[in-house]
Amino acid sequence: LAKTTQPISMDSYEGQEVNITCSHNNIATNDYITWYQQFPSQGPRFIIQGYKTKVTNEVASLFIPADRKSSTLSLPRVSLSDTAVYYCLVGDPFNQGGKLIFGQGTELSVKP
Amino acid sequence: DSGVTQTPKHLITATGQRVTLRCSPRSGDLSVYWYQQSLDQGLQFLIQYYNGEERAKGNILERFSAQQFPDLHSELNLSSLELGDSALYFCASSVAPLAGGEQYFGPGTRLTVT
Repeated sequence: LAKTTQPISMDSYEGQEVNITCSHNNIATNDYITWYQQFPSQGPRFIIQGYKTKVTNEVASLFIPADRKSSTLSLPRVSLSDTAVYYCLVGDPFNQGGKLIFGQGTELSVKP
Repeated sequence: DSGVTQTPKHLITATGQRVTLRCSPRSGDLSVYWYQQSLDQGLQFLIQYYNGEERAKGNILERFSAQQFPDLHSELNLSSLELGDSALYFCASSVAPLAGGEQYFGPGTRLTVT
């Protein structure tokens, strides 16, 4: 399974765009990139998943360059409620038995 | 609300004891996953069941066991408890057995072993 590297923490202010980059140099051909969000004492929540280029949904965008060795989660106009830990996961969702391998995550702190 | 329910919310017990954690998946989901989250180990996958059958195993101790019943609810049994077993235990569910992308997590059970 590809190892991921993310910043341990990030600070931002309300209304700003936040970009969290994840490095995954050993990503395999069949691997997808998935991001989860976790609030304290709550279960993780799926944010977005992508394979290449750009994926956008109602809460975030995921940018994946052509070499797929990194990815960037973009949160537009963050609010205080976006303060959470964000996990980047890389794996083949069809051949890894369904299990999710979580790394250390990025602790995002949004200030007023 | 993810639709996944877990009971109990909190559990305090002594070393050497045995406890059972219960999980009900979202309606229609056939796969159930168990994860353990502790401060020093982070979030770790324990085991997965699909439609009653064990599908994948992670870092689950031999003192721990799980099963999924015909009504699809699942139980995680932890025995001979040690102080280091204190953690948050999450259950997650998904529709398909290999749906490694999107899983729906429950609120967790906080286990404290004293």
